[in-house]
Amino acid sequence: SQTIHQWPATLVQPVGSPLSLECTVEGTSNPNLYWYRQAAGRGLQLLFYSVGIGQISSEVPQNLSASRPQDRQFILSSKKLLLSDSGFYLCAWSRDRWETQYFGPGTRLLVL
Amino acid sequence: SQQGEEDPQALSIQEGENATMNCSYKTSINNLQWYRQNSGRGLVHLILIRSNEREKHSGRLRVTLDTSKKSSSLLITASRAADTASYFCATNSNYQLIWGAGTKLIIKP
Repeated sequence: SQTIHQWPATLVQPVGSPLSLECTVEGTSNPNLYWYRQAAGRGLQLLFYSVGIGQISSEVPQNLSASRPQDRQFILSSKKLLLSDSGFYLCAWSRDRWETQYFGPGTRLLVL
Repeated sequence: SQQGEEDPQALSIQEGENATMNCSYKTSINNLQWYRQNSGRGLVHLILIRSNEREKHSGRLRVTLDTSKKSSSLLITASRAADTASYFCATNSNYQLIWGAGTKLIIKP
């Protein structure tokens, strides 16, 4: 069976510090991978998606970047965090693009 | 309003009652997906219904799709306390997935 891991679960970072959130998927190959951000009480905002190694599509211009160094690894990064980067970050994968998505447990980021 | 908008924003019912949530969208879609999110957790996929389907069932869940009205409904029958969560619809249109803001469902014991 497939599983998706995200870490850390919670992160408190000062403004201006770097960020690296990691997501890995097990039990499948060549997954479509997604990074979302969710503000409190809101829906999901797609940040990045990837259909293969090194292939990243950015949906929203912002302070964040993503990389996919391996088939089942997706990393969300920032060089300098802003207060507005606070939120709940979710990684997801799907077999077919934009079809059923399977989510990780999420990372709650608080930038102070 | 945005694509994939849920209604109502919040719903509180007694355990054992049925809960109905609606989702409206604006453009043509390939499929519509419903997800559940428990507080502070990741989302869990419930049902995917394609544009050529009108109704799908999964256990106590029933989803309908009316493409002429550009709307979908999620019915949860015989609700349980464990159904307390936020429910989101997501529409697959033009090779993107657009999410609504969700319906917060509270089941009172």
